[in-house]
Order: sequence, then C-alpha cells, then structure tokens
Amino acid sequence: GENVEQHPSTLSVQEGDSAVIKCTYSDSASNYFPWYKQELGKRPQLIIDIRSNVGEKKDQRIAVTLNKTAKHFSLHITETQPEDSAVYFCAASTGGFKTIFGAGTRLFVKA
Amino acid sequence: GAVVSQHPSRVICKSGTSVKIECRSLDFQATTMFWYRQFPKKSLMLMATSNEGSKATYEQGVEKDKFLINHASLTLSTLTVTSAHPEDSSFYICSAWDRPDQPQHFGDGTRLSIL
Repeated sequence: GENVEQHPSTLSVQEGDSAVIKCTYSDSASNYFPWYKQELGKRPQLIIDIRSNVGEKKDQRIAVTLNKTAKHFSLHITETQPEDSAVYFCAASTGGFKTIFGAGTRLFVKA
Repeated sequence: GAVVSQHPSRVICKSGTSVKIECRSLDFQATTMFWYRQFPKKSLMLMATSNEGSKATYEQGVEKDKFLINHASLTLSTLTVTSAHPEDSSFYICSAWDRPDQPQHFGDGTRLSIL
C-alpha cells in the first residue's frame, strides 16, 4: 500500500544552524505534499506545502523541495530558533483522497 | 482561515463508558472529515474517513462497531468510542478540508484517558 518514509526520527541542531528533514513516498500518483508542525499536545499546523508541478517553494526561513522522479521531498529550515522545536510531519496526498503521513521528526533546537 | 473545532479537549472516564467526540468546521462546509489516532511520540494514524450523508470508510484494523462515526451535516462529524477500555486511551484528532486539493485543517484533539 501507500507509504511515506521520513528521516531522521530525531534531529538536534544548534540555534542558527539549518535543519533538513527528508521524506520518500511510494504512490506515484501523489501530487500534493504538505508539511505540518506539531507542538506537544497541540494540533498539527500546516507550515508549507508543495504541488507536483513545482520543484521548490520557499516561505521566509522554510523551504520545500520535490523530486518527482525519485519520489523524494525535503523540508529545509534555515537560521533555526528555539521556537522551531517541535515534531514535523511530512505527508503525501493524491489530492482528493486520503493523506498518508510520515512517522514524524522530533526537532530540537538548542539555544 | 478555515477553523476546525473539536470537543471535548480532554476526557477521563471509567472503563465501559461510551465517549462522544465532536468535530465541527466553523467557517466552511466539510463534505469530508478525517479521524486520526495518535499514540505518544508517534505519527497520525488514520482511523476513518467520514463523508457527509453516507457511511464512514474505516481503515484496515479499525473496528467500526467500536468507533462509531456519524457525519450528519456539512459542518459536524462525531466519533463515539463505545464501551471504552484502557487500551482505547489515546489522543484523537479530527481534520477536514474545504476543498479536496487543499490542506487538511486539524482540530485541537481530544485526549482520552480510560481508567
């Protein structure tokens, strides 16, 4: 069945450094890739998304890249801050059907 | 932006009790809502897809008689955990989208603790 693999499961960086989280999807029909940030006990919140007709998208310190051929997509956070500490989930969707989530990456930003 | 309201936020009850969780889309109509279960430090596990006016579609391994879903209107879906037991303790989150090609909007979640 459909699967989304996410790595690493835990990531610790120093404040100001960059953080990269990578995901791989299995369903070649996937065309929509959102990224969610979830703080402890809170709801997942969309931070950025990308569609299959675009290779890269940037929003301030956050960027996402997509390689459709390799079925890889990545989240890049630059100039990390302590408030970036949270769990990040990637997801893949065929747009109109269910969304498959990755296992999550716990990001720690050390001050 | 689209807002999804979920209530209650926390439930603590005795084993054998049935618990109802509500999920409402406040400023948009949601033909489809999703129910997830999340264990500590784990990902979101889709339990079922709730479609307005029709039966929910359950994921493999999810007992439909245990987790009753009703999507009676375009703004409300409910999840009832029937005869809850300690192993049903978890964080339950609903989500909805206003258009299929848009991101899902999540509720705040319900932390269910069965004693």
